Amino acid sequence: EDQVTQSPEALRLQEGESSSLNCSYTVSGLRGLFWYRQDPGKGPEFLFTLYSAGEEKEKERLKATLTKKESFLHITAPKPEDSATYLCAVQGNAGNMLTFGGGTRLMVKP
Amino acid sequence: KAGVTQTPRYLIKTRGQQVTLSCSPISGHRSVSWYQQTPGQGLQFLFEYFSETQRNKGNFPGRFSGRQFSNSRSEMNVSTLELGDSALYLCASSSGPTYNEQFFGPGTRLTVL
Repeated sequence: EDQVTQSPEALRLQEGESSSLNCSYTVSGLRGLFWYRQDPGKGPEFLFTLYSAGEEKEKERLKATLTKKESFLHITAPKPEDSATYLCAVQGNAGNMLTFGGGTRLMVKP
Repeated sequence: KAGVTQTPRYLIKTRGQQVTLSCSPISGHRSVSWYQQTPGQGLQFLFEYFSETQRNKGNFPGRFSGRQFSNSRSEMNVSTLELGDSALYLCASSSGPTYNEQFFGPGTRLTVL
């Protein structure tokens, strides 16, 4: 059974204070690891897909990395508008099914 | 390009009733997946449809069912509603059967009283 664990559950940062979110996973045959951002009351917004260990992707202040056991979402000099819940999910052998972690709720104070 | 649309956005039902939710995927996308999101369980996979066929199903009771039409639009149905069915129901679309990014709609907020 595929499993995803995200840590920490919640993270408070000051504006400009860089940090990383962790996503540990076990999956039978990783097809892809996905990062999403979710604002309250809205659907998850796609950020990145990583397919193989060593892969990195960047978008504005966000950078996602992947190893064989975990992924990190690095946030550089965050702004209050980066406050959201960040979700990690893996896609294994079962078609398009995604297994999600519990999410990290990020709060960035000005 | 228009995103994934879900209707209705909000629903209030009472226990024992049934409900049908609708999802229109991104134009050209043929795969639709449904997820349930609750504060306690997070995001959980319900089922996936591709080309009108159910390809995968999550660990939910038979009261949860779905279908996909020839235009790729999908509906999910929940019969004999229970209080625990209160959740945000999310639909995600992707262009193919696997190895593809999935894009989510805004969700339908179902409240069961």
